[in-house]
Formats: sequence, structure tokens, C-alpha cells
Amino acid sequence: QKEVEQNSGPLSVPEGAIASLNCTYSDRGSQSFFWYRQYSGKSPELIMFIYSNGDKEDGRFTAQLNKASQYVSLLIRDSQPSDSATYLCAVNIGDRGSTLGRLYFGRGTQLTVWP
Amino acid sequence: DTAVSQTPKYLVTQMGNDKSIKCEQNLGHDTMYWYKQDSKKFLKIMFSYNNKELIINETVPNRFSPKSPDKAHLNLHINSLELGDSAVYFCASSYRQYHEQYFGPGTRLTVT
Repeated sequence: QKEVEQNSGPLSVPEGAIASLNCTYSDRGSQSFFWYRQYSGKSPELIMFIYSNGDKEDGRFTAQLNKASQYVSLLIRDSQPSDSATYLCAVNIGDRGSTLGRLYFGRGTQLTVWP
Repeated sequence: DTAVSQTPKYLVTQMGNDKSIKCEQNLGHDTMYWYKQDSKKFLKIMFSYNNKELIINETVPNRFSPKSPDKAHLNLHINSLELGDSAVYFCASSYRQYHEQYFGPGTRLTVT
């Protein structure tokens, strides 16, 4: 059973703070890692993807990957009330060169940013 | 321009009926997916098609039958609907199977 675990939350931070979202995965064969944001009643929206160990920054978002620890995280700097949503970690288990990869999602962490 | 679109947005039907959901993407992607998100918001893959060929079929009752007439379209037909089928169904697409996926707006299916 492939598992993706997220800190269950809910997570509540004040506006302007750093929100830290964590995710662990069980399959060492995992190759691609994604963070999606889902507002209530809406579809998941891709905000970050990362394939290699280390940090990847995009605006206020930083994804961090540590394959040895099987851990991926998302940092949101200068959090805004509009960041309030459920954040889904997704892990693609399978060789990037193969056709057998599939995306497994965690159950999500609900983030609230209060003004 | 909508990248991944689904119809209908809402579907309310009675147990035992048959219904279809349609999905179209204009991103030029090769791979399309169906996901089910249950009442606890857990998102789980059901099917994946690559260039009209079924490549992932998770443990889904055979009342669910996907069809891909071309690589831009993926439909989902559900026979003999049951109460437990009530959920939001999302279509998604990606350039290749391990690339980032983009989701449609979802179809909220309610079976009464």
C-alpha cells in the first residue's frame, strides 16, 4: 500500500507569518512530488512540483524535498488570508521513464491565515 | 480558455440509473485521468488513459467504464448507480504520466 501522510492540521497562522506544511511518503521509488491547493468547493490547483533533492522556490512558495528521509514540505512565506485552503501533497510513484507512474494524494492539511 | 472542462457540473440521480460525465482538455496533453474525491475529501485515482489507451485501472467496480474517443476527450459512464457513488469526480490531464496534472472543475454526483 502506497501511503502519503500529511500533518493533519488544521493549521492556523497569522497574516505575514510562514506556514509550514509537511508530507511523508512510504515508497522509496517515488520520483515526482507535487503540492496542490484546493479551495472549498473547487478543484485542486497545482502550485509547486519538485523532482530533485533540495529546495525549489517560486514566489512566496518553497518546496523542499529530502528523498533519504522520504519527506517533502511546502513553506508559504508572508502568508495571506487568500492562502486559506486545503493543501494536498501528491507523490508520483514510478520511474519517470516508465508509463506506470500514478499519483497518490495525502488527505490534505487545512490552512487558515487570519488577518 | 478553459484548459480542462467537465460536464455536467452537478448531477443528481436516483439509485439504479446510468449516467455519463464528459471531459475535454485543450492543453495538447497525452494522458488523462479520472479521480474520485469522497466526502472526507480524499482524492483517489480511478483510471488513466495515455493516447486513448487505458493504462491504469484501480480497484473500481466494473459498473464504471471509461472511454477515450481521442486523446483530448475522456468520458466516464456509470451503470446502476449506488448511494456510495455519491462524490465529486475530477478529470485531469498531463503531458506525460509522471508530469504535473491539471484538474477540471469537477462533477458533483449525488445519488438518492
